[in-house]
Amino acid sequence: DAGITQSPRHKVTETGTPVTLRCHQTENHRYMYWYRQDPGHGLRLIHYSYGVKDTDKGEVSDGYSVSRSKTEDFLLTLESATSSQTSVYFCAISAGQGGTGELFFGEGSRLTVL
Amino acid sequence: AQTVTQSQPEMSVQEAETVTLSCTYDTSESDYYLFWYKQPPSRQMILVIRQEAYKQQNATENRFSVNFQKAAKSFSLKISDSQLGDAAMYFCAYPTIGNEKLTFGTGTRLTIIP
Repeated sequence: DAGITQSPRHKVTETGTPVTLRCHQTENHRYMYWYRQDPGHGLRLIHYSYGVKDTDKGEVSDGYSVSRSKTEDFLLTLESATSSQTSVYFCAISAGQGGTGELFFGEGSRLTVL
Repeated sequence: AQTVTQSQPEMSVQEAETVTLSCTYDTSESDYYLFWYKQPPSRQMILVIRQEAYKQQNATENRFSVNFQKAAKSFSLKISDSQLGDAAMYFCAYPTIGNEKLTFGTGTRLTIIP
């Protein structure tokens, strides 16, 4: 199994509070991704990173920011959580097309915003 | 805009029978991979099968095979001899710009009838 750890795995918070989700990898893969999963929408890309300090937006990036100060860590921050951000968040990693192109996923973090 | 389509939100199949899940996509890349992922109730995303677009031969992994039609941009998954453990959400995924981002379909929930 790919070494990907997400924390926290479950979190309940209130509207307007900041939230940070952490993704940690031990594979030294270049690419890291944050997706959210919602019924009827599948997985949608929030942000991704192609190297330390190199990040870019995905299709649903509004209300989210990310940081990657080390190869192994990719943080997703909700500056002021809203109920629409209640979701399951998945981190994924990839070696890129230099590898197989496959994404390896963490176990997901369920966030509930009340 | 995402243009991957899984037109079957739900499907069911009798145990030991064969079922085909459909997926169509749009990409401007000429050389890419396509993926089917499985998400059982545990929520863990598991790679089922990968197809390399430049290979004409359809990929096969045990009971799982694909029908890849590059010109039609169609990538269906066939599951033979369905088993109870095949019950899951199935997502197809294809690469977008630069081949480094995967876009996922909305998923098909597969139920196995004993």
